[in-house]
Amino acid sequence: GAGVSQSPSNKVTEKGKDVELRCDPISGHTALYWYRQSLGQGLEFLIYFQGNSAPDKSGLPSDRFSAERTGGSVSTLTIQRTQQEDSAVYLCASSLAGGNSIIYEQYFGPGTRLTVT
Amino acid sequence: DAKTTQPPSMDCAEGRAANLPCNHSTISGNEYVYWYRQIHSQGPQYIIHGLKNNETNEMASLIITEDRKSSTLILPHATLRDTAVYYCIVRSLPGYNKLIFGAGTRLAVHP
Repeated sequence: GAGVSQSPSNKVTEKGKDVELRCDPISGHTALYWYRQSLGQGLEFLIYFQGNSAPDKSGLPSDRFSAERTGGSVSTLTIQRTQQEDSAVYLCASSLAGGNSIIYEQYFGPGTRLTVT
Repeated sequence: DAKTTQPPSMDCAEGRAANLPCNHSTISGNEYVYWYRQIHSQGPQYIIHGLKNNETNEMASLIITEDRKSSTLILPHATLRDTAVYYCIVRSLPGYNKLIFGAGTRLAVHP
């Protein structure tokens, strides 16, 4: 079936502008995650959503970053007043819910490459 | 989650087995060992995971030592397409927990 999709694949924006990145998870996956990968850096967790629970926002680097997930499916990551250090590849992943006795693997999308000029 | 240690890079000849080690000496009893890989310009891809028994699937085998303090990912017949960064990650329940990536091992498969 269809995997995780993200749009746009590339985004170039001017410093100070707001951007929205979209993620369409695999159908039926209730857990959704956002990560980012800066040039020369590792993969860094940002936020995750699990069903109707409050999202874990512990990885968001500043209050300029926010994310929402509408209807338990599509998610949007918003970066306000972008800075050059926000330039990175933003990756979305989804998985089945898992729980206290089982872990399911995460499936990643191809990412959105964000360049802030 | 327990910290993992991996060599920064490894080489392997095409057609030979690639053995990628990972140390996780502080792993606790309810933590799983997961392996993902990231091929250039793609998102990470799940490979395999295990708790304490050795595991095998169509992609690889995972060997976990009896004390669980280290593990080895084995690609039995490496191909050029296996060139990637391989991440060893220790995860605990609940199942929707985030992944904490380290630096990984950059595996180069050469002809």
